[in-house]
Amino acid sequence: GQQLNQSPQSMFIQEGEDVSMNCTSSSIFNTWLWYKQDPGEGPVLLIALYKAGELTSNGRLTAQFGITRKDSFLNISASIPSDVGIYFCAGRNYGGSQGNLIFGKGTKLSVKP
Amino acid sequence: GAGVSQSPSNKVTEKGKDVELRCDPISGHTALYWYRQSLGQGLEFLIYFQGNSAPDKSGLPSDRFSAERTGGSVSTLTIQRTQQEDSAVYLCASSSTSGGSEQYFGPGTRLTVT
Repeated sequence: GQQLNQSPQSMFIQEGEDVSMNCTSSSIFNTWLWYKQDPGEGPVLLIALYKAGELTSNGRLTAQFGITRKDSFLNISASIPSDVGIYFCAGRNYGGSQGNLIFGKGTKLSVKP
Repeated sequence: GAGVSQSPSNKVTEKGKDVELRCDPISGHTALYWYRQSLGQGLEFLIYFQGNSAPDKSGLPSDRFSAERTGGSVSTLTIQRTQQEDSAVYLCASSSTSGGSEQYFGPGTRLTVT
């Protein structure tokens, strides 16, 4: 099925660093969501975006709905060890199937050795 | 309130056997979704229920997969004649409105087919 292009696939962080990741789509989306998944758990919703250009924060996390409606960004400021996990973007496109979200393959955050 | 719950949390079955996975959505949520997540992969949409409407089954990978939602609440995903490639984590999500926005996920059922 259709998937979003999410990058980077993985990254290593050092405590205190800022982190950025993004998702792009070939089609226009009307909703973007960002989830975090810890090992053995289901994804947890972090931020939901509904309007092009929208910029929303949740603590140290900030996400933006791209103006082209084809991309979204997630930034984490001043990372801490508990930020480690897999981050997924998800979107729903205009005229898409009744309700299902399309997910990126995830960005895995790990701690620098 | 309680979140989405799924059972069992882990299931090991022999190839060829049937399995049933259960999902209890958040109370009052009208939409329910099933996804499959293979190791290290993103989420693959399987099926979507919205109220009393006919479910969207467009993501089911084969006719061995089916799902029901009784009374607009609990859902069961059934996999018949399981194959090794069915091994994955099966995630259920629910949302309060149609349209897929803000889906809330359960912890998943890890299925291993030996």
